[in-house]
Amino acid sequence: EIVLTQSPATLSLSPGEGATLSCRASQSISRYLVWYQQKPGQAPRLLISDASNRATGIPARFSGSGSGTDFTLTISSLEPGDFAVYYCQQRSNWPLTFGGGTKVEIK
Amino acid sequence: QLQLQESGPGLVKPSETLSLTCTVSGGSISSSYSWGWIRQPPGKGLEWIGSISYGGSTYYTYYNPSLKSRLTISGDTSKNQFSLKLSSVTAADTAVYYCAGGLGELAFYHYWGQGTLVTVSS
Repeated sequence: EIVLTQSPATLSLSPGEGATLSCRASQSISRYLVWYQQKPGQAPRLLISDASNRATGIPARFSGSGSGTDFTLTISSLEPGDFAVYYCQQRSNWPLTFGGGTKVEIK
Repeated sequence: QLQLQESGPGLVKPSETLSLTCTVSGGSISSSYSWGWIRQPPGKGLEWIGSISYGGSTYYTYYNPSLKSRLTISGDTSKNQFSLKLSSVTAADTAVYYCAGGLGELAFYHYWGQGTLVTVSS
């Protein structure tokens, strides 16, 4: 099973600041890495597929990068609605696995 | 636009079987999408449970090895639904259960149901 480790666990930032979230895989997953955003009481929302492809309707301030074992989600300038928990997921091997999440909170 | 809706009991007794159904609208479950179940214990992260996908008249199921011995995922194309059965449940199975749809077998999930909380308690 591929383990995904997200860091940091919590990121405390102010609106307007940039955020950099990391996801590291226990083995190479090429570019088969997905990012989701989840707000309290809601289902996850797809942000980025296959490392860097923004999903339909996702603002350009969200960008993804990386390949192999190291991946990054960057939010260029945080807006109030961006404070949430972010999960990565790999779709390289069975079973599909998720990272433990990074909470982006208001400082 | 696909829409998914989970349904099933919100309370299940220990050792019994948890059964949930996901109804899909706006598209057919026998399309090229993969249909998955994901759960989230209260205050914790996401866990992929398993998925089902269709290829012509054949369907394929994929299970998380950690749950495989207790898990059955099936589909009903006539009702455009897919279902989850998890046997011999314990309190550790208490979670919000989501159904989701995504492209390909090793999927990423575009579409999610709202989730349903299932509590395992006597």
